[in-house]
Amino acid sequence: AQKVTQAQTEISVVEKEDVTLDCVYETRDTTYYLFWYKQPPSGELVFLIRRNSFDEQNEISGRYSWNFQKSTSSFNFTITASQVVDSAVYFCALKTGTASKLTFGTGTRLQVTL
Amino acid sequence: GAGVSQTPSNKVTEKGKYVELRCDPISGHTALYWYRQSLGQGPEFLIYFQGTGAADDSGLPNDRFFAVRPEGSVSTLKIQRTERGDSAVYLCASSFLAHGTEAFFGQGTRLTVV
Repeated sequence: AQKVTQAQTEISVVEKEDVTLDCVYETRDTTYYLFWYKQPPSGELVFLIRRNSFDEQNEISGRYSWNFQKSTSSFNFTITASQVVDSAVYFCALKTGTASKLTFGTGTRLQVTL
Repeated sequence: GAGVSQTPSNKVTEKGKYVELRCDPISGHTALYWYRQSLGQGPEFLIYFQGTGAADDSGLPNDRFFAVRPEGSVSTLKIQRTERGDSAVYLCASSFLAHGTEAFFGQGTRLTVV
């Protein structure tokens, strides 16, 4: 069975602070994909990144970076110099190689204030 | 269209009534998914279509829920004899392929059963 755990329910930071959102996953499959989605107040899930299980390279995209560590089954997401527009609920999700569905974590609500 | 379109955006219905929720995926996407998101939770998988056929309906909670995709594009999620517990946001997503590619989500239909 697949499982995604996002232990942080809610995080509050002041603008320009760095913040890391944690994601721990469980799967017995050797081929799998990990995702991060952002859900702003409007409700639409916005795709941020996809990473496959054979690529452990960290990735940076502007102020966003992702740290994938198979040894700890973690796929953490860092926002550098946070902005108010980053306020949203962030979901980590897992899709195994043989399945089609995404298994989501419960999400982390990020509140960035001035 | 440019993105996944879902109609209606909001639906209020009385307990026991029948409802249909529509999803228009991104043009050219062969895979289509329905998810359900309750307040404070991550989306939960309902059903996946590859083309016209339901390849995985393991997430449908009971036989009151049914979905179709007759021409391999637009999909309709149908709920019979609605119950108050069916109240949630119903999300539709599509992807170019079922495996290894990201899914893009619509803004959802908020269903309220009173």
